[in-house]
Amino acid sequence: LAKTTQPISMDSYEGQEVNITCSHNNIATNDYITWYQQFPSQGPRFIIQGYKTKVTNEVASLFIPADRKSSTLSLPRVSLSDTAVYYCLVRGTSGSARQLTFGSGTQLTVLP
Amino acid sequence: EPEVTQTPSHQVTQMGQEVILRCVPISNHLYFYWYRQILGQKVEFLVSFYNNEISEKSEIFDDQFSVERPDGSNFTLKIRSTKLEDSAMYFCASKDTGSNQPQHFGDGTRLSIL
Repeated sequence: LAKTTQPISMDSYEGQEVNITCSHNNIATNDYITWYQQFPSQGPRFIIQGYKTKVTNEVASLFIPADRKSSTLSLPRVSLSDTAVYYCLVRGTSGSARQLTFGSGTQLTVLP
Repeated sequence: EPEVTQTPSHQVTQMGQEVILRCVPISNHLYFYWYRQILGQKVEFLVSFYNNEISEKSEIFDDQFSVERPDGSNFTLKIRSTKLEDSAMYFCASKDTGSNQPQHFGDGTRLSIL
């Protein structure tokens, strides 16, 4: 399983764009990059996933360079309610039942 | 939006007792998982389940634990002879068919062993 490294914590202000970068140097050819959000006492919530280039949905964008050794989650115009832990995971696809391995995540704190 | 639901939200049990944690996965999903998160620690994988059998399990998932899909909608985790260190949040997740489909998590059951 590819190991991921991301900052332990980040602070931002309301209305700013937040970029959280994750490194995954040992990513395998068939691995997907997946991001989850977790609020206290709640389960991880799927945000976005991608394989290469850029993926955008209604809540975030995910930028993946050509070498796929890193990825950046971009949250546009954050609000106080975006304060949460954000996890970057590399997920294998061989064997559809493959488990997820969570790291410590990035604690994002949005300040007023 | 369909979601994974878990009951109860909080379970308090005496040490040594058995507990059953219940999950209703998203209705068309075929892959099911249990994870746990001890307070202040990482989310840890316990077990995955597909086609009525365990696909993978971690070292945590020893003989004290078992899983079952008793009917077409529920997925349960049984913990026998509970210990103090079993106190944690237990999350159920499910996944649709397709290697690129993400896992979707419930909001967990907080298990407190006294």
